[in-house]
Amino acid sequence: RKEVEQDPGPFNVPEGATVAFNCTYSNSASQSFFWYRQDCRKEPKLLMSVYSSGNEDGRFTAQLNRASQYISLLIRDSKLSDSATYLCVVNTGFQKLVFGTGTRLLVSP
Amino acid sequence: GAGVSQSPSNKVTEKGKDVELRCDPISGHTALYWYRQSLGQGLEFLIYFQGNSAPDKSGLPSDRFSAERTGGSVSTLTIQRTQQEDSAVYLCASSLFAESASPLHFGNGTRLTVT
Repeated sequence: RKEVEQDPGPFNVPEGATVAFNCTYSNSASQSFFWYRQDCRKEPKLLMSVYSSGNEDGRFTAQLNRASQYISLLIRDSKLSDSATYLCVVNTGFQKLVFGTGTRLLVSP
Repeated sequence: GAGVSQSPSNKVTEKGKDVELRCDPISGHTALYWYRQSLGQGLEFLIYFQGNSAPDKSGLPSDRFSAERTGGSVSTLTIQRTQQEDSAVYLCASSLFAESASPLHFGNGTRLTVT
């Protein structure tokens, strides 16, 4: 089983839609979690950290479910500029940040 | 301020040659990571440096790969006797601390093509 798993997508949604991605992790000792965004042929950039109580940043909401070992990212009111690959990142507790393969989002007019 | 700088941005080499990739992290960042990303794939962890501690080399795919970090700053990733499967984008990232909540700042990567 992979340490971090994501649905590769692509998720095709119209502008204004709400879309959610999940990411599962295998190591129950994982300590911290992040969502990164990667545009085509660009380097990944931090989108948001994921806190135990859940957190929101504008149109983006991240949640953590430790019991089921998954994190989620919800994007409301999708914009064309949200089109990108969203990478789930897990700190497995050994200071090693493990990246998922990413979920591709395509927002169309 | 200056971000993470990687050089070269592109490298084409013949199979069997050695290559050296350089990463200049953000000043003051104590943690430095190397990842590689093959076309259409996720990021594969290679190696991690934290201060003066022994590096975590658990992700290096073979003994042809090595990395060092001099003076706690600049890092070089060396691939000996390159193979075609080494073709990928090699990404370097640094973070202020090795603390779990410290975000990674990535360089633009080195695109390596082995012919």
